[in-house]
Amino acid sequence: SQQGEEDPQALSIQEGENATMNCSYKTSINNLQWYRQNSGRGLVHLILIRSNEREKHSGRLRVTLDTSKKSSSLLITASRAADTASYFCATTRLNFGNEKLTFGTGTRLTIIP
Amino acid sequence: DAGVIQSPRHEVTEMGQEVTLRCKPISGHDYLFWYRQTMMRGLELLIYFNNNVPIDDSGMPEDRFSAKMPNASFSTLKIQPSEPRDSAVYFCASSEADTQYFGPGTRLTVL
Repeated sequence: SQQGEEDPQALSIQEGENATMNCSYKTSINNLQWYRQNSGRGLVHLILIRSNEREKHSGRLRVTLDTSKKSSSLLITASRAADTASYFCATTRLNFGNEKLTFGTGTRLTIIP
Repeated sequence: DAGVIQSPRHEVTEMGQEVTLRCKPISGHDYLFWYRQTMMRGLELLIYFNNNVPIDDSGMPEDRFSAKMPNASFSTLKIQPSEPRDSAVYFCASSEADTQYFGPGTRLTVL
């Protein structure tokens, strides 16, 4: 079964607004990553947060991790039309190495110009 | 670097035919992964290699699927015989650490 479940499944917002997506997972992790997939393309890595970190920033992206709740959130600030894509969280399981990722179901984000 | 290269980008075949998907990972990456993506099942890991050796093939659906990595710069995923339920987008990815780099995918349609 999927390790991660993203919420919501789909999100539509106006350009310039902030977009927040959530991810929940089931087992203890080494790290959690977020990937973006544009339509018809492969996934692109956005950001990685380790299990001992609580928050991380990269440009307009902010990721939080709450290991007690087994959840993470991805915030995209000042959204742009180019942010329209599907976003996936992916985890590596504790004590299983960092090479094998288990992906969530994804959130489809649409930015309305 | 050109990134992960996959071929063909699109493949349409008839049920029962053999299909071979190809992947060239990023030079220097020692892990290679094959995924399948469908609307119904999402993104599934089929198999992955480390230094050309298969490590985990528990995601391979059945014996009709096989994967090889004869050297560090080439891998194939073969389906024989193909069935309509194999229709999906197949991705290859490579990594040297935590982050995976995905190819553009092969869209397979089995009629």
